[in-house]
Amino acid sequence: RKEVEQDPGPFNVPEGATVAFNCTYSNSASQSFFWYRQDCRKEPKLLMSVYSSGNEDGRFTAQLNRASQYISLLIRDSKLSDSATYLCVVLTGANNLFFGTGTRLTVIP
Amino acid sequence: NAGVMQNPRHLVRRRGQEARLRCSPMKGHSHVYWYRQLPEEGLKFMVYLQKENIIDESGMPKERFSAEFPKEGPSILRIQQVVRGDSAAYFCASSPPSTSFTDTQYFGPGTRLTVL
Repeated sequence: RKEVEQDPGPFNVPEGATVAFNCTYSNSASQSFFWYRQDCRKEPKLLMSVYSSGNEDGRFTAQLNRASQYISLLIRDSKLSDSATYLCVVLTGANNLFFGTGTRLTVIP
Repeated sequence: NAGVMQNPRHLVRRRGQEARLRCSPMKGHSHVYWYRQLPEEGLKFMVYLQKENIIDESGMPKERFSAEFPKEGPSILRIQQVVRGDSAAYFCASSPPSTSFTDTQYFGPGTRLTVL
């Protein structure tokens, strides 16, 4: 079983739509969680960390459910510039950072 | 302040040759991480280095791969006797000193290795 699993998509949504991505992780001892964004053939960039209480950054909301080992990312009022692949990332142990394969989002005008 | 630099951006090698990938961390950063991204797969951690020390190489293949981060100069990921399965994007990331692994890592643009 993979450490981190994501629906690869693609998600094709119109501008202004709300879209949610989910991610599950297999190791209950995982302690830190992140969402990264990766544009086509570019490097990953940190979008936001995910805290147990949930956190929001503008149009982006991240939530963590430790009991279900589940992380989510909600994007409100989608923009064309949100089109990218969103990577769920989990830290397990001291140095073991595991990346999901990513969920591809395309925002359509 | 320049970001993480990697070179070359694209590298083509024939089977059996050596590939050397370079990474210069952001100014003031002393922690370097190497990741590999195979086509249609997620990034996989390979190795974590600080100046002159390998901290964690649990993700490195046991043979043909090595990494270093000398006191002076860039970090080098070396792949000897490359095979077609080594074709991938190799990303380097860096973070400041006195940080934990969980702190923000800044990624370089990657080196795309193609083995013919």
